[in-house]
Amino acid sequence: SQQGEEDPQALSIQEGENATMNCSYKTSINNLQWYRQNSGRGLVHLILIRSNEREKHSGRLRVTLDTSKKSSSLLITASRAADTASYFCATEETSGSRLTFGEGTQLTVNP
Amino acid sequence: DAGVIQSPRHEVTEMGQEVTLRCKPISGHNSLFWYRQTMMRGLELLIYFNNNVPIDDSGMPEDRFSAKMPNASFSTLKIQPSEPRDSAVYFCASRRPVGETQYFGPGTRLLVL
Repeated sequence: SQQGEEDPQALSIQEGENATMNCSYKTSINNLQWYRQNSGRGLVHLILIRSNEREKHSGRLRVTLDTSKKSSSLLITASRAADTASYFCATEETSGSRLTFGEGTQLTVNP
Repeated sequence: DAGVIQSPRHEVTEMGQEVTLRCKPISGHNSLFWYRQTMMRGLELLIYFNNNVPIDDSGMPEDRFSAKMPNASFSTLKIQPSEPRDSAVYFCASRRPVGETQYFGPGTRLLVL
């Protein structure tokens, strides 16, 4: 299966709730990145976590990385309707600088 | 900073026609990536350049696809001849010399009839 698989594929929550998305991968990585894509737009970088890091925060975002399980999670706290978008994880493998993207999680935050 | 610029934003063409997509990376970025996004296959890396040199083109679907980067500020992705299955959104992204984050353009939405 594809490197960087997100779970769930779709998530619908109410404004103010937290949203958690998970990503699994298969190979050794240099870093794992999360990107956001609004409908009809390009991807926007959110946060990067390196293979020697376990947790990282940026505003309302919290990312964890477990290299032993080859998995990562993205937590968005106190969600807003404007957070509605697709969220992708991407892994940079140790073999090179290319990124491999997962299939994404479609997040809908209802006002 | 204008960000990554792609043109055209939308392209509708007929099967068999040549299609040329254009990308201007962010000034000072030395890596450039071409991606294709479809519902069926998600986001796929087609090719990437480092200092104008193609490094990895293993994602280019077939000989109908070609990409060039004649200088640091311009790249093209050409499809000749185009087929309906090439319909997708094509993204260009660039990255700084010492950096890991990719900056994406708005994409070109291609429809081949």
